[in-house]
Amino acid sequence: ETGVTQSPTHLIKTRGQQVTLRCSSQSGHNTVSWYQQALGQGPQFIFQYYREEENGRGNFPPRFSGLQFPNYSSELNVNALELDDSALYLCASSLRTMGEETQYFGPGTRLLVL
Amino acid sequence: AQTVTQSQPEMSVQEAETVTLSCTYDTSESDYYLFWYKQPPSRQMILVIRQEAYKQQNATENRFSVNFQKAAKSFSLKISDSQLGDAAMYFCAYMVRQLTFGSGTQLTVLP
Repeated sequence: ETGVTQSPTHLIKTRGQQVTLRCSSQSGHNTVSWYQQALGQGPQFIFQYYREEENGRGNFPPRFSGLQFPNYSSELNVNALELDDSALYLCASSLRTMGEETQYFGPGTRLLVL
Repeated sequence: AQTVTQSQPEMSVQEAETVTLSCTYDTSESDYYLFWYKQPPSRQMILVIRQEAYKQQNATENRFSVNFQKAAKSFSLKISDSQLGDAAMYFCAYMVRQLTFGSGTQLTVLP
């Protein structure tokens, strides 16, 4: 167990809808990263939050947005859902120190867009 | 852009035997970290082992060890005394701030 939790575990939405996924960091961690893992592929980096500020973004459109809260928990919001957004969404928390930042993953949220 | 390549989509090993999973990466950075993560059918991504690029000594965690060749940009994972519980998808990942993953190697352990 990593101490990172995500909710919900599964979600079904229809095209065009909006979705919010949640992540609680491991205690003491100040950085949260989100990844999208399509079936049969490796995870792809969406964005990272450090102390409530976005701190890096992958090749994802602006309809993917996020928040980090003062307790370092985080949300991933996806607007105008498309069929290709169906994937496992992984959250990882880490403690940013002097360059070393091992990321620990939550169990993921499986999103299906119909 | 950094890329990570895992050239073995599938591997199998007999229980108690040793298996090596391959990984190469491309980067212009000199300081970075490399990881192997394991993803069983439950889909939870589990950290297996970590290597700091500035360290010449290969990392070891119990039955898991790496062969890190910085000049060749190679980072292979050796699993000794394979167990049925080792069966999973294994991902090699490179990190400078965020993780870049390879496409994974599905490891089957045969009883």
